[in-house]
Amino acid sequence: DTAVSQTPKYLVTQMGNDKSIKCEQNLGHDTMYWYKQDSKKFLKIMFSYNNKELIINETVPNRFSPKSPDKAHLNLHINSLELGDSAVYFCASSQTPGVGQPQHFGDGTRLSIL
Amino acid sequence: GDSVTQMEGPVTLSEEAFLTINCTYTATGYPSLFWYVQYPGEGLQLLLKATKADDKGSNKGFEATYRKETTSFHLEKGSVQVSDSAVYFCALTPRNSGNTPLVFGKGTRLSVIA
Repeated sequence: DTAVSQTPKYLVTQMGNDKSIKCEQNLGHDTMYWYKQDSKKFLKIMFSYNNKELIINETVPNRFSPKSPDKAHLNLHINSLELGDSAVYFCASSQTPGVGQPQHFGDGTRLSIL
Repeated sequence: GDSVTQMEGPVTLSEEAFLTINCTYTATGYPSLFWYVQYPGEGLQLLLKATKADDKGSNKGFEATYRKETTSFHLEKGSVQVSDSAVYFCALTPRNSGNTPLVFGKGTRLSVIA
């Protein structure tokens, strides 16, 4: 059983388009995240949601809009895609509270902007 | 702010060689520490973790000890295999919050040759 699943796995599109990435977790966790991994493999947090509420937005352009319809889902919509948005986007989830709770990651969505 | 510094890669080793990947951190407070592994084309998987000083995390022959005095969490394995080839990330979360995003190091690529 897949714990954190993202779709699509690959997304190739042109500059200026709008696209969405979906994420679902079946672990019963109450916190979900979006991370961006650049071409040098560096990972950085974009958003964090706890029980459907936004708790962290790390100075991400407002072209990126996360939406959490329920605590098992966190989708990412991107408007007016730019070349610099090309990256791998990872969804993750964790359970709170608890010291040292690990995060569980999806397999990533590789976004390529032409 | 909190940060993680890990050794630059890539690291290339022969099978059965000893592995060390250095990781040091800067954090206010008392973080939890993690090593994650990313195999080619996959998401991140938790490899091991430690939540307090002198704790040793271990998994699949890998070990790391939480050293508060040197603010380090070096990853070691006594005998690497070709299947260990991957990118390894050191990461932390602050101790006082279970849903704080991970702060990652830049990753170290390990290649093991037969």
